[in-house]
Amino acid sequence: GESVGLHLPTLSVQEGDNSIINCAYSNSASDYFIWYKQESGKGPQFIIDIRSNMDKRQGQRVTVLLNKTVKHLSLQIAATQPGDSAVYFCAENEDTGFQKLVFGTGTRLLVSP
Amino acid sequence: DAMVIQNPRYQVTQFGKPVTLSCSQTLNHNVMYWYQQKSSQAPKLLFHYYDKDFNNEADTPDNFQSRRPNTSFCFLDIRSPGLGDAAMYLCATSRDLGLETQYFGPGTRLLVL
Repeated sequence: GESVGLHLPTLSVQEGDNSIINCAYSNSASDYFIWYKQESGKGPQFIIDIRSNMDKRQGQRVTVLLNKTVKHLSLQIAATQPGDSAVYFCAENEDTGFQKLVFGTGTRLLVSP
Repeated sequence: DAMVIQNPRYQVTQFGKPVTLSCSQTLNHNVMYWYQQKSSQAPKLLFHYYDKDFNNEADTPDNFQSRRPNTSFCFLDIRSPGLGDAAMYLCATSRDLGLETQYFGPGTRLLVL
C-alpha cells in the first residue's frame, strides 16, 4: 500500500562503514523485489533486484537478502561513501493482474565523511 | 544512452490552470507509468499504458488524464490543478508487464500557486 507520514526513518553512518537498510514487505505472494536509490530532486534509480526463488543476490558493493518466512528484505552497502547518501526504497511486485510495483516507506541514509 | 526523459524539470502553474507534463523514452519499452510523489513519501502510481492500452488506478482523481500518442511519448494532463496536486511527478518505463524492472525519469516538480 501507499506509505504515509512526513518523517522518514533515518540511518546515519560514517564513511567506510557498512550500512544495512531493512524493509518489511506486505504481500507473501510477491515474486520480485527491487531496491531503488533516490537522491534529492531526482527520480528513483535502480540498484539491485531479487526474485522470490533466491535469498541473496550481490552487486557491486551491494547485497540484497530476502527472508520470505518473515517477509523481510535488506540492502547491505559495503564501505559506504558520501555519494550513497539518499533515500532508499524497497519495492515489491504484487500480482494484481499486471503486477503492480508497491513501494515501501523509504529510509534516508546519511553518510558522514 | 537509452533513457527516460521528462520535461520540464520544474513547472509552475496557477490554481485551476490546465498543465501538461511530458515524458519520452529511448528504451523502446512497451509500458509507461506515471507516479505522483509527495515530500518524504513513496511514489504513488496514477496510471500506466501497456502499448496503447490505458489503465487507471482506482483512486486516481478524474482531474488526472494521460495520453500516449506513440511508443516514445507519454503525457500527463492535470485539468484543474489544486494546491494538493503540488508534487514530484515521475515517469517510468518497463520492457513489458510482469516481473520487470521499472526505470524512472528525473521527474517534474510541479508547483501550484
